[in-house]
Amino acid sequence: GQNIDQPTEMTATEGAIVQINCTYQTSGFNGLFWYQQHAGEAPTFLSYNVLDGLEEKGRFSSFLSRSKGYSYLLLKELQMKDSASYLCAVRDSNYQLIWGAGTKLIIKP
Amino acid sequence: DAMVIQNPRYQVTQFGKPVTLSCSQTLNHNVMYWYQQKSSQAPKLLFHYYDKDFNNEADTPDNFQSRRPNTSFCFLDIRSPGLGDAAMYLCATSLRYGSGANVLTFGAGSRLTVL
Repeated sequence: GQNIDQPTEMTATEGAIVQINCTYQTSGFNGLFWYQQHAGEAPTFLSYNVLDGLEEKGRFSSFLSRSKGYSYLLLKELQMKDSASYLCAVRDSNYQLIWGAGTKLIIKP
Repeated sequence: DAMVIQNPRYQVTQFGKPVTLSCSQTLNHNVMYWYQQKSSQAPKLLFHYYDKDFNNEADTPDNFQSRRPNTSFCFLDIRSPGLGDAAMYLCATSLRYGSGANVLTFGAGSRLTVL
């Protein structure tokens, strides 16, 4: 079966750096997405990786290693508004999007 | 601003009483999706439309139906809601289906409560 694994919950301090990991086992690979979802709201797109390496976008960066089936989302200079769930999703060989259950990130002052 | 709008934001229904949720988009996207998301779980794709072509996920119960009368609107009908259908229902759109950085744009969701 297809599977996306992410930690259920993480806690970090305002101003710090946090890394949210995602490992996947899917039937093929056609890209990996990270979405942010605040409680009770819709997911919003953060990043897309299809080739190995690091994609940087402001305070957020996303890394991909296809050979390891692994990605991480790096959040720098954490702000209270970054408290949210972070969803990892992989597009498989049939172009279906396989979603993880999300990592709930709690930011403390 | 171009966007995806869902109505109602909150819907309370009784066990077995039909419900219709609506989604409209001004993005002119070809693909529209309906997802079900329960608390702390991954979004679960129910079906999607590429233009007028309807694609049902194999494990979507028959209790869930959808209509797309035109490119801007899509409806989710739950014919006989059960307690297990209480969830957030998310509508999303994308320009195309499949390859490339095919980003989904989500609506704010419709939260369904079944009494």
